[in-house]
Amino acid sequence: AQSVTQLDSHVSVSEGTPVLLRCNYSSSYSPSLFWYVQHPNKGLQLLLKYTSAATLVKGINGFEAEFKKSETSFHLTKPSAHMSDAAEYFCVVSRYNFNKFYFGSGTKLNVKP
Amino acid sequence: EAQVTQNPRYLITVTGKKLTVTCSQNMNHEYMSWYRQDPGLGLRQIYYSMNVEVTDKGDVPEGYKVSRKEKRNFPLILESPSPNQTSLYFCASAREGSTDTQYFGPGTRLTVL
Repeated sequence: AQSVTQLDSHVSVSEGTPVLLRCNYSSSYSPSLFWYVQHPNKGLQLLLKYTSAATLVKGINGFEAEFKKSETSFHLTKPSAHMSDAAEYFCVVSRYNFNKFYFGSGTKLNVKP
Repeated sequence: EAQVTQNPRYLITVTGKKLTVTCSQNMNHEYMSWYRQDPGLGLRQIYYSMNVEVTDKGDVPEGYKVSRKEKRNFPLILESPSPNQTSLYFCASAREGSTDTQYFGPGTRLTVL
């Protein structure tokens, strides 16, 4: 069975401070893991993906995530938040080369000026 | 422009009245999928299709049907909608072998009274 738990439903940071969005996964197999972003009233966009290569994955807009098998975590980070980062973020797990995807419940990121 | 389109974008209907939400992609993608998004639950996969005439159930297929007669189109059919199918629906597509990178449509907000 596969599942994803996003540990915070809301995160609020000040512009210019670091962002940490937490994700823990459960997977019976070696997972593929993703982060997607959804800006208000928009569709979803892939931020980054882990598919069993390097454990530190860099994505778009300065985001990165580290796959930690021992902790079953895939937390999303960014050194310095920008106002345009305000959105909802989804952690997603899939079995590699399979076609079913399991989304977390989402984390809404608020960025204060 | 490469894109996934959905129609209609907004729909209000009544219980039991059959409806179809269309999804079309112009990227020649083999893989297509439908999701529903509900507050606090993230996205849940309804059905997916690996290619023409090949479809399979996701996590929440009950009450939905799909068909894939043409590669570019993947309609979602609700034969007898009920209020618990009120949701935001997203269609997505991806290249075969690269389903880790899905392209999402803009969403269809459905209300069933």
